[in-house]
Order: sequence, then structure tokens, then C-alpha cells
Amino acid sequence: NAGVTQTPKFRILKIGQSMTLQCAQDMNHNYMYWYRQDPGMGLKLIYYSVGAGITDKGEVPNGYNVSRSTTEDFPLRLELAAPSQTSVYFCASSYYQQGGQPQHFGDGTRLSIL
Amino acid sequence: SQELEQSPQSLIVQEGKNLTINCTSSKTLYGLYWYKQKYGEGLIFLMMLQKGGEEKSHEKITAKLDEKKQQSSLHITASQPSHAGIYLCGADMVAGNQFYFGTGTSLTVIP
Repeated sequence: NAGVTQTPKFRILKIGQSMTLQCAQDMNHNYMYWYRQDPGMGLKLIYYSVGAGITDKGEVPNGYNVSRSTTEDFPLRLELAAPSQTSVYFCASSYYQQGGQPQHFGDGTRLSIL
Repeated sequence: SQELEQSPQSLIVQEGKNLTINCTSSKTLYGLYWYKQKYGEGLIFLMMLQKGGEEKSHEKITAKLDEKKQQSSLHITASQPSHAGIYLCGADMVAGNQFYFGTGTSLTVIP
């Protein structure tokens, strides 16, 4: 079972470049999430989606955009990369949030902005 | 501000010792989740607690949620090197639609 798949695993960007982090899940989960993890800071929610066509901001949405055209895919877009966006990015999915269902995580994308 | 406070930040224990990690919120939690993260990898779900006073165990790991549903503890009995990693608590609040994580506890088990 693939679960949650994130690509790429590593990426180095120059300041001002743009890129899309891909996330796909094959569990037919309706909720999907994007987090960033900085050293010593735990995970911060960037954006989440409760279903295809519906997205909402999390704690730290500035500098990012998302879309959810299908149940399976939830890409995260960085338009103008900044050094502050250097982090490890995790995508997660679950059946629904406040129903006692745990989130399933991908292996992460390690992004460096130089 | 941090919605979930986790302590301690790091732990170094001798193999065979017991240890406890705490997770505290100022708000009532709808659900409390414990995850483990091996260094450089994604998060693995350990346990979920929803009811006040609930306690769950899996192998040598026990998680508890207090009656007020604002504090949880994770207890490891007779720690082993395989327990090493970062333990994170996560929770969704009664009010709101977001999910929050604690800052994590880094556990090192010395053989």
C-alpha cells in the first residue's frame, strides 16, 4: 500500500524561484494537510483541505498556495521562494478530522532555499 | 503561541529505564494523538485518546488522557534503543477545525 506519497524528497531552490511540492494519497481520505517542521518547533499547519475543491488556511499560510482538484492530490505551491521557507514539509491525510481518525503522513520533502 | 506544550524537550535514558513525556493544552481537546518520528523520516501514528480518563497501551508504551481532556502523558516502560526518536503529541480542539502539534520530545536510549 502506497499511503501518502510526497515528491520530491529533496530540493534546493534559489531565492525567488517557484516550485510545487506534490502529495498524493490512495486511501480515499477526504481530509488532507500540509505541515512544515522546523528544528525544535514541532509541526505547523500551512493549509488543509476537507475535500476536493475546498481548502483553508492553517497557522502559517503566508508564501504558499494550494489546490485540491481531486480527492487524491493536494499540491503545495511556493511562488517566490524565501530563505525562511527552508524546512521539512509533510503532507498528511485522514478520513475526517474531529471523528477520532489519525492522520497518515508522507515521508517529507526537505527543501533548502539558498 | 504554542497550543500544545510538550515536555521535556529531550530525554536521555539508560536502556531499561522508564520514562514519561507530557503534553498539555490550555483548551479542551477533542482528540489527542501520539506520534513517533524517527530521525529524517515521517510520523508514525502510535495511539489516539478521545475520552476523559482514557488509557491505552501498546507493547511497552502507555498513553493517558486526563479527565478534563487537557493533559496527556506517554509512558515507556523498560526503554529499549528501538524506542529512540522524536515523540510528538497532536490534537484537534473542541472549537475550530485545525490540528496542532506539540514541539516534540527527542528521546535517546543508551544501550
